[in-house]
Amino acid sequence: DAKTTQPTSMDCAEGRAANLPCNHSTISGNEYVYWYRQIHSQGPQYIIHGLKNNETNEMASLIITEDRKSSTLILPHATLRDTAVYYCIVRAYGNKLVFGAGTILRVKS
Amino acid sequence: ETGVTQSPTHLIKTRGQQVTLRCSSQSGHNTVSWYQQALGQGPQFIFQYYREEENGRGNFPPRFSGLQFPNYSSELNVNALELDDSALYLCASSRDQGGTEAFFGQGTRLTVV
Repeated sequence: DAKTTQPTSMDCAEGRAANLPCNHSTISGNEYVYWYRQIHSQGPQYIIHGLKNNETNEMASLIITEDRKSSTLILPHATLRDTAVYYCIVRAYGNKLVFGAGTILRVKS
Repeated sequence: ETGVTQSPTHLIKTRGQQVTLRCSSQSGHNTVSWYQQALGQGPQFIFQYYREEENGRGNFPPRFSGLQFPNYSSELNVNALELDDSALYLCASSRDQGGTEAFFGQGTRLTVV
């Protein structure tokens, strides 16, 4: 599976959109982009995933560039409860999830 | 709430002992994966079970073993515990072994002293 690069940490004001970038320049055509988050001392929580098209669900939006070499997870109205470690994972069908260090997102009031 | 439950939530064991951790998968899910998360690091894949068979293994020694039962619940067994085995052990279940999203339990915090 392709490797991903994420910023170590980011801050966001409460109520504002949080935009979390992820680079995956070596992604293959059959690999999906997954996002999970982990709130302190809890298990990781699935957020969203996509292959080529932008995706949106009740939690977030995923924007994937046309060349698929990077993506952005958008939390439209961040709250204090969104403070967590966010993991961007590239994964082919059938492969395991490989977690990196992720991005620590701090939402501040 | 993901519907994936793990037990126990916390456990303290002595070096050299053996431990069994348990996971009940979400209804309708036939695949269970186990991860180890050391403090300050991301989860590391241990192995996956699909329909009671091991279906992939990470870089963990044979003293880490597992089982999956007909109801798709699972156990993780660790023999000859070492201090470095102290970690949060996470179980994740999914509808299949492929690309569908995995849902994680809250984990078991194992401390080896």
